[in-house]
Order: sequence, then C-alpha cells, then structure tokens
Amino acid sequence: RKEVEQDPGPFNVPEGATVAFNCTYSNSASQSFFWYRQDCRKEPKLLMSVYSSGNEDGRFTAQLNRASQYISLLIRDSKLSDSATYLCVVNGYGNKLVFGAGTILRVKS
Amino acid sequence: ETGVTQSPTHLIKTRGQQVTLRCSSQSGHNTVSWYQQALGQGPQFIFQYYREEENGRGNFPPRFSGLQFPNYSSELNVNALELDDSALYLCASSTSVDFQETQYFGPGTRLLVL
Repeated sequence: RKEVEQDPGPFNVPEGATVAFNCTYSNSASQSFFWYRQDCRKEPKLLMSVYSSGNEDGRFTAQLNRASQYISLLIRDSKLSDSATYLCVVNGYGNKLVFGAGTILRVKS
Repeated sequence: ETGVTQSPTHLIKTRGQQVTLRCSSQSGHNTVSWYQQALGQGPQFIFQYYREEENGRGNFPPRFSGLQFPNYSSELNVNALELDDSALYLCASSTSVDFQETQYFGPGTRLLVL
C-alpha cells in the first residue's frame, strides 16, 4: 500500500463549479499535512497546510480526519487559473515528506 | 519566486555517467531536501541535509549522494546513471528539519539519461 494515495484524475470541471479531492495516508503517527499545487513543468508550491480543526483560505477548504487517516481539499467557484496538479503531502515514516501522485484539475470555460 | 535556485536547468547524460546537480537555498534556511519526480508521479524524497549532515534518507541506492556546504548550498550527486534516473530533480529549503514548516522548492533540474 502506498503511504499517500489520492483520487485518480483528471477532474474536468466548468468554471464556477465546486470540486473536492480526497487523500488517504497510512502512517497514523503523521503530524504534518499539506496540499501543494504544481503547475505544468513548474515546481510544487504550498497551497495550504491542513489542521485538525479544518481550515479555509478564500475559496479553498481543507479537512483532516485523523481517525480515518483522510484529508480533503474543497475548491469552490473554480477559476481557469485553478487548473493544475494538486499534491497531497504527509510527513511520513522516518521523518520525510511523502507526496501523493497528484490529481489533475482542468477547469474549462 | 521562492529564492531557491537550481542549476543546471536541463541536462542530458548517458548511462554509466555521473552527474552533479546544485541548489542554492533561500536565505536563512539551514535545511535542504532533495526529491526526484518522474513523469506523472509526485516527488519522491531522496534525502535531507541539516548543518552539513545527512538527516534522513528515502529509498534510494547509495549511488545517490549529497553534500551541504557551510553557506547551506547543496549538491546532489548521482553515479552510474541508469535510464530510470531520467526525472525532474527538485530541492527544497526550509527552516525546520521535521517538515513542520513550509518547504520552498527550486525550479528543478530536468535530467535525461540516454
């Protein structure tokens, strides 16, 4: 089993849609959780950290369920500029960052 | 821009050769991590350096080695290149060894092994 697993993509959505990505992780001792965004042929950039109480940043909401070892990202009112690969990232076994394979989002007009 | 730079941007090598990739960390960051990202995959952790010492390693063979210098710049060396080493190599700098703080990635080096 992979340490971090994400929804397979791509997600093709119209502008203005709400889209949700899911991610599961295997290390129950993980303490740090993140969503990174990666544009085509660019480096990953932090989108948001994920906290136990859930957190929101504008149109983006992240949730963490430690009992189920599950992380989600909700994007409301999708914009064309949201098109990217979204990477679920967890502090895994042996103190290393473990990235999921990513989910591709394509927002179309 | 993150302030993390990498060189070269692109590189072509042949099987069996050796390669050195370089990373300059963001000012004030004493921790650097290296990642390999194959096409269509997420970055895979290679190793982390903190104060010039290796501080954690992923599932990569010993032919992947690194250095961190007193100014916190870093190198990734790969010996005996294999075709599967073709990938984007990313470095990320941070102020924290436990990944609690944001990792700032450089633009990466694209390595092609023929």
